[in-house]
Amino acid sequence: AQKITQTQPGMFVQEKEAVTLDCTYDTSDPSYGLFWYKQPSSGEMIFLIYQGSYDQQNATEGRYSLNFQKARKSANLVISASQLGDSAMYFCAMREPETGANNLFFGTGTRLTVIP
Amino acid sequence: DSGVTQTPKHLITATGQRVTLRCSPRSGDLSVYWYQQSLDQGLQFLIHYYNGEERAKGNILERFSAQQFPDLHSELNLSSLELGDSALYFCASSVESAGHTGELFFGEGSRLTVL
Repeated sequence: AQKITQTQPGMFVQEKEAVTLDCTYDTSDPSYGLFWYKQPSSGEMIFLIYQGSYDQQNATEGRYSLNFQKARKSANLVISASQLGDSAMYFCAMREPETGANNLFFGTGTRLTVIP
Repeated sequence: DSGVTQTPKHLITATGQRVTLRCSPRSGDLSVYWYQQSLDQGLQFLIHYYNGEERAKGNILERFSAQQFPDLHSELNLSSLELGDSALYFCASSVESAGHTGELFFGEGSRLTVL
């Protein structure tokens, strides 16, 4: 079974609008971490935001926020006031430290295009 | 700039050849991870080293090997290369300390093209 599922291969958003990128995850561990990364066309992977499974509040980092719904096992990324520079691939990832492995499992990504 | 350095940035080679990719982690990070990103398989975890010791293996082929040296830099060796090995190879490092969120800091990647 896929640990991370991103069902939107591509998304379009108008500049200055908000957009939500979906991510669902599958784990039986009580302790886990969820991450979002951005990959622009230049190729580098840029860390955006983190949510721990025990965090009571949704994580926020500037224009990025994470809509964490634990019971639904979803961790959607919300980007507010989209900018042209937000056009990129976005990857959701999970870490399961209880398994003894600290590596991240990545979803297949969502390509976001911001329209002027 | 993540602080993780990967060389070379681009590499073109022929089938059957062997290449070595190099990674220098962020200063102070003891963990190094290698990932492969190909068009059809997404980001696949290959291997994790912590302070010179192998910690975890993912979908790493037997033709591939890696090591982490005492100065903490790491090398990924790819041998008997096949066309399907063409991909972007990422190195990432992490703090791995108690209470840290554990995010990985990625290098810019090494793009390997096998012809």
